[in-house]
Amino acid sequence: DQQVKQNSPSLSVQEGRISILNCDYTNSMFDYFLWYKKYPAEGPTFLISISSIKDKNEDGRFTVFLNKSAKHLSLHIVPSQPGDSAVYFCAAISNFGNEKLTFGTGTRLTIIP
Amino acid sequence: GAGVSQSPRYKVAKRGQDVALRCDPISGHVSLFWYQQALGQGPEFLTYFQNEAQLDKSGLPSDRFFAERPEGSVSTLKIQRTQKEDSAVYLCASSFQQSTDTQYFGPGTRLTVL
Repeated sequence: DQQVKQNSPSLSVQEGRISILNCDYTNSMFDYFLWYKKYPAEGPTFLISISSIKDKNEDGRFTVFLNKSAKHLSLHIVPSQPGDSAVYFCAAISNFGNEKLTFGTGTRLTIIP
Repeated sequence: GAGVSQSPRYKVAKRGQDVALRCDPISGHVSLFWYQQALGQGPEFLTYFQNEAQLDKSGLPSDRFFAERPEGSVSTLKIQRTQKEDSAVYLCASSFQQSTDTQYFGPGTRLTVL
């Protein structure tokens, strides 16, 4: 049972345009959400997070939006740069989950120069 | 300021062999996690330590998997009698303390069981 879903395995975006990565979750106990970025042969690197009490968090070119009623979050990257090409994982923490991260299956983002 | 390190980076084992994977967390980090990432999937939780105490091992797939962190720093994940389905990347992560503190990941150990 996949509790965190990323339905787009891949996404290609022109350099300078906006990249939008989507994530859906089913467990209503999740109360903290994160995005991680992963390059080949490296571990995931934390990008940005959001608490369930907020609906938006922004950090430079990266913005995460949370819609609790729809159990949906999205990551916006603007403007997209070639170095953003990587696999992006959405992850969630449950307030009863002993701090463990539950990950989605990832979206491979390719920025086209 | 070294990050999380893992060794070996790559391990090839024959089916039935025992393997031991090592994780050196960031100094001072209280929490340590092990995740398993199969090809094309996201990382999946295996087990969690707070200092030397293993507080959650609900993700360990079988009793062939065993993890320890005896002195609250370095951790070892041991897999006994490896099977082909154990082939995956094993990721270690550490965080300072609080539940929402960022988890910092190591580069992983890629285990291939032949």
